[in-house]
Amino acid sequence: DVKVTQSSRYLVKRTGEKVFLECVQDMDHENMFWYRQDPGLGLRLIYFSYDVKMKEKGDIPEGYSVSREKKERFSLILESASTNQTSMYLCASSLTDNYGYTFGSGTRLTVV
Amino acid sequence: AQRVTQPEKLLSVFKGAPVELKCNYSYSGSPELFWYVQYSRQRLQLLLRHISRESIKGFTADLNKGETSFHLKKPFAQEEDSAMYYCASLEGGSNYQLIWGAGTKLIIKP
Repeated sequence: DVKVTQSSRYLVKRTGEKVFLECVQDMDHENMFWYRQDPGLGLRLIYFSYDVKMKEKGDIPEGYSVSREKKERFSLILESASTNQTSMYLCASSLTDNYGYTFGSGTRLTVV
Repeated sequence: AQRVTQPEKLLSVFKGAPVELKCNYSYSGSPELFWYVQYSRQRLQLLLRHISRESIKGFTADLNKGETSFHLKKPFAQEEDSAMYYCASLEGGSNYQLIWGAGTKLIIKP
């Protein structure tokens, strides 16, 4: 029944490393999103994509990039990880209607 | 720009007491509003949508356009309701981007 899968639940990386977070959905959704979730700050949108090879910056895109080569897969890339990118990262997908989002279980990234 | 405000970061009530989680939005048109819930160690999931007018796990939420509010209510809280609750508003246009409140942590005391 799992519909949005994030490749790692926990990840520990060193400062300066390039980090890839993968997200796959099996619902044929057009839209995919990457958020980070921090206590007291709620969900903040990093990037989203409404079609293959299309991407839009969210509220906090600095230090991140994304890739969507196939409809079902949306990757978040931290070009050079820093300690302030330690966070819970959530992937979500949606149809282009108002049924809301389906979320993955999250990846807790720690940068040391 | 649209904004969703959840004024309480933390709400603590006793089991069996009524619960009201507040949410206010700033969209001037006809908003699409949602409540999401995240139980401990579980993924964020949709609780209810205002458009469907449904009651899920005893929770209801009524859209009040005059007060621009979409408060989440439950008459009798249960311990399993303890969770993080987020209110969200759907932004119109082609990208269908949700605007999120900061979330309210609900703790039900036994």
